[in-house]
Amino acid sequence: EAGVTQFPSHSVIEKGQTVTLRCDPISGHDNLYWYRRVMGKEIKFLLHFVKESKQDESGMPNNRFLAERTGGTYSTLKVQPAELEDSGVYFCASSQDHWSGNTEAFFGQGTRLTVV
Amino acid sequence: LAKTTQPISMDSYEGQEVNITCSHNNIATNDYITWYQQFPSQGPRFIIQGYKTKVTNEVASLFIPADRKSSTLSLPRVSLSDTAVYYCLVGDKGAGNMLTFGGGTRLMVKP
Repeated sequence: EAGVTQFPSHSVIEKGQTVTLRCDPISGHDNLYWYRRVMGKEIKFLLHFVKESKQDESGMPNNRFLAERTGGTYSTLKVQPAELEDSGVYFCASSQDHWSGNTEAFFGQGTRLTVV
Repeated sequence: LAKTTQPISMDSYEGQEVNITCSHNNIATNDYITWYQQFPSQGPRFIIQGYKTKVTNEVASLFIPADRKSSTLSLPRVSLSDTAVYYCLVGDKGAGNMLTFGGGTRLMVKP
């Protein structure tokens, strides 16, 4: 069974450009999460989808970030326009049940975003 | 506000047992304790999870005292490939019971 896959693995863009990150969760997992780690900081929660609905987007830093999960399968995270402080590693995770403590979430390998 | 506290880094040698302790003084009654492992350029990977007392699997053991205010991840006979960052997580009710990452412990296993 395929795990969580993320694309691209690495992206370098100029400030002001747009970048779209993609996450394919494990098949059948209704819950999908986006996290990110910026340089020197902890891994921070961005948002949580249950199927195609945004359950919690309290971690989204600002309105330059837009996440979608049309059809409840794969998800995209668009950054427009990108700023230097958006550089970091963006992780996607999925779980069958809500990842609240007594369940397991599976993480992708991450997308390393570099804004220059 | 950080929910968990772990040592920033630890060093060990191949073949030794490594114990990493995590403090979680504000753990809630329904919270579970989960440990993840992360290698460079990879996403975090589940190691072990527990609620109380002791849990053991093929990779590690997790010791949780009765007050549950701390937990200890025990890695038996580590090898070089165990060099990674280890995260202790508990449910964060302030974020709708989402699990929150702390700083993690960077374990370096030396030959």
